[in-house]
Amino acid sequence: SQQGEEDPQALSIQEGENATMNCSYKTSINNLQWYRQNSGRGLVHLILIRSNEREKHSGRLRVTLDTSKKSSSLLITASRAADTASYFCATDGERNSGGYQKVTFGTGTKLQVIP
Amino acid sequence: NAGVMQNPRHLVRRRGQEARLRCSPMKGHSHVYWYRQLPEEGLKFMVYLQKENIIDESGMPKERFSAEFPKEGPSILRIQQVVRGDSAAYFCASSLATVGRNTEAFFGQGTRLTVV
Repeated sequence: SQQGEEDPQALSIQEGENATMNCSYKTSINNLQWYRQNSGRGLVHLILIRSNEREKHSGRLRVTLDTSKKSSSLLITASRAADTASYFCATDGERNSGGYQKVTFGTGTKLQVIP
Repeated sequence: NAGVMQNPRHLVRRRGQEARLRCSPMKGHSHVYWYRQLPEEGLKFMVYLQKENIIDESGMPKERFSAEFPKEGPSILRIQQVVRGDSAAYFCASSLATVGRNTEAFFGQGTRLTVV
């Protein structure tokens, strides 16, 4: 299965509410990243949190990281209709037989913000 | 400093033709990753390359698919004898390094391949 798994798979909220998405992973990591993808578009990097950080903020985004539970959460406060997108977490922990790390993604959470 | 550039943005091929997807990493980045995204699905890792080397191709089908990242020029993902099931968005990402903490990956806008 994927290194990162997002939960829930889909989320529908009213504009102005907060949206929380979770990501769990399996192996140890150096960092974890969150990306947004609008329908039919490319990926936009939102935020990177390093393994020695517990919380990070960027505008209306708040990311937490719990390395003991191997999980991260992305909180979007005061959501807007423009936040409607799929959100992916990506981790760098998976290594191949040569010891090289690759960035792997979960299946994403589809967020719909209803105006 | 331009971001990761992928071209073409859209590619239409008939069954049996070849598809060539190009990716120019960010300046200074020597690590390139290719991902495939089927409609309504997440990103699936295909291959990870460094300059002139394939590091990990565990996600790439053994047949018809190949990737390269030459010393000069962009990384190329090549799909021979395309079939309808190859229709997807193909994303390329680049990063500065693989070990340590500089593993932030930057993505291109993707190439949307349609096989008719």
